[in-house]
Amino acid sequence: EAGVAQSPRYKIIEKRQSVAFWCNPISGHATLYWYQQILGQGPKLLIQFQNNGVVDDSQLPKDRFSAERLKGVDSTLKIQPAKLEDSAVYLCASSLGQGHTDTQYFGPGTRLTVL
Amino acid sequence: GQNIDQPTEMTATEGAIVQINCTYQTSGFNGLFWYQQHAGEAPTFLSYNVLDGLEEKGRFSSFLSRSKGYSYLLLKELQMKDSASYLCAIMDSNYQLIWGAGTKLIIKP
Repeated sequence: EAGVAQSPRYKIIEKRQSVAFWCNPISGHATLYWYQQILGQGPKLLIQFQNNGVVDDSQLPKDRFSAERLKGVDSTLKIQPAKLEDSAVYLCASSLGQGHTDTQYFGPGTRLTVL
Repeated sequence: GQNIDQPTEMTATEGAIVQINCTYQTSGFNGLFWYQQHAGEAPTFLSYNVLDGLEEKGRFSSFLSRSKGYSYLLLKELQMKDSASYLCAIMDSNYQLIWGAGTKLIIKP
């Protein structure tokens, strides 16, 4: 079974530029999560989708971050404009969505460096 | 507030046993997860506890005491490949995962 796919794996941009990340969850997984993980810290949830609807985006900095999952499968996360403090690994995870305590499976992440 | 505490770093010897502790204070409790994260890689699921007691899975075991807000991950017969960060995460009353900062485990030959 294929895992969660993410691209790109690495991205270097200058502050004030825009960047987009892509995620393809495990086939059949209804729930998709985007996390931000700063070095030395645990992941921080940015947004959670159930199919193509947003369940929780309370920690998403909406002035610069946006995410969509239009057809309930793939998702994109965008930052516009980027700031230095956005340097982090952006992890996408998915779960079956059949129960609240479903195990989350993570993709390899995108390491973003903002100069 | 919500708080999860884990030691920042631990060192152990190949072949030995190590116990990684996690204490928590969260708004509600719907289970505790342990994940392993090798440097530069994504977290991978190790265990899930929702009831008190010990869950054993091969060389890894996880223990939970809800009344004490305490869990540990026990790793036996340590191998060099076990060098990684171990993340404790609590599912709160809103079914959101609250993550600890992780414990970096260093295995020495």
